[in-house]
Amino acid sequence: QKEVEQDPGPLSVPEGAIVSLNCTYSNSAFQYFMWYRQYSRKGPELLMYTYSSGNKEDGRFTAQVDKSSKYISLFIRDSQPSDSATYLCAMNGGTSYGKLTFGQGTILTVHP
Amino acid sequence: ETGVTQTPRHLVMGMTNKKSLKCEQHLGHNAMYWYKQSAKKPLELMFVYNFKEQTENNSVPSRFSPECPNSSHLFLHLHTLQPEDSALYLCASSLPPLAGGPDTQYFGPGTRLTVL
Repeated sequence: QKEVEQDPGPLSVPEGAIVSLNCTYSNSAFQYFMWYRQYSRKGPELLMYTYSSGNKEDGRFTAQVDKSSKYISLFIRDSQPSDSATYLCAMNGGTSYGKLTFGQGTILTVHP
Repeated sequence: ETGVTQTPRHLVMGMTNKKSLKCEQHLGHNAMYWYKQSAKKPLELMFVYNFKEQTENNSVPSRFSPECPNSSHLFLHLHTLQPEDSALYLCASSLPPLAGGPDTQYFGPGTRLTVL
């Protein structure tokens, strides 16, 4: 079993839709949960991170963590074509500091 | 230049060639990383350097040889690679990771490597 599971998609939605991206994980020691966005031919860029369980909102983006279920989500409201990218979840914690564990990434396309 | 830069952006090499990838960070960070990104696979951590010292070698074959002369520069020396080594090689940097803290890494654009 992979430490972090992420559906690779691809996911295609119309502009304005609410997008839900998800990851599950198996290591209960993970405490910090990140979402990265990677445009084609670019490196990943950090969108936001969350500590432990709960929600965090930044503009149109909301990150949720449910540690009891080992499940994290990223919601994108009012999605735009410019949101089309690969979204990577990543996490660290416990003794694994300095070592991020990534999901496979979900390819998202928002069409006009 | 700002952020993390990588050169070259694209590289095609034969299996007998020797080449080097370069990474430079302009963020004042002290930790630097090499990752391999292959299609349909998660990012694979290869090497970690903290304050120029290698702290992680993730069972990487010896045909990949990292070098970190200072906290701003990181190299990946390549020799006798195999076609399966073709991938996007990403460099990242961060503040020194702290036990119990988030590990927010900043990535360069990557070098697209093709081994013929």
